[in-house]
Amino acid sequence: EIVLTQSPGTLSLSPGESATLSCRASQSVASNYLAWYQQSPGQAPRLLIYGASIRATGVPDRFSGSGSGTDFTLTISRLEPEDFAVYYCQQYANSLTFGGGTKVEIK
Amino acid sequence: EVRLLESGGGLVQPGGSLRLSCAASGFTFRTYAMGWVRQAPGKGLEWVSLITGGGGSTYYADAVKGRFTISRDNPKNTLYLQMHSLRADDTAVYYCAKCGGSGAGLDWLDLWGQGTQVAVSS
Repeated sequence: EIVLTQSPGTLSLSPGESATLSCRASQSVASNYLAWYQQSPGQAPRLLIYGASIRATGVPDRFSGSGSGTDFTLTISRLEPEDFAVYYCQQYANSLTFGGGTKVEIK
Repeated sequence: EVRLLESGGGLVQPGGSLRLSCAASGFTFRTYAMGWVRQAPGKGLEWVSLITGGGGSTYYADAVKGRFTISRDNPKNTLYLQMHSLRADDTAVYYCAKCGGSGAGLDWLDLWGQGTQVAVSS
């Protein structure tokens, strides 16, 4: 099983700042089969990125994904109020697993 | 409108059974693999199970293997999760989700329902 470790656990930032979220895999994620999701309080998760760097339909271009192998990054430039949420990475190369999440909170 | 609507959650005693349903609309259901993901109170997301578009292949997390069964009725555009031998640690919101790829198997999840609550307690 591929274990995904997300860091930091919590990121305290102000609107307008940029956020860098990390997702590290216990073994290489083949074909960059990695996705990112956003979950706001009381809401279902929403797909942001798949294939490590492909934005899902309707996702603003301030969200970008990068990385390969075992190290992946989600970058949110110019944080908007609605971006303060919990973010999860997920791999689908070997079964499916999720990371533990990073909470982006207002500083 | 593209939508997933779960139902069937509730309170059940340890050792009991429950069947969750997920009604899909707005897309060609049989074309896509579908899955279940759960979230325990205050915790992160945990993948539970997945089924291919035609229903011929199923996948399960180790935590539920042998106790849960995923199935689908393509003419009815409905996904199911039959849960047996329920335990306290199965307590969670259960989300139905659509896979984004070809329908052949493991993929990203591009459409989620709002979830149904399952509580296992005596």
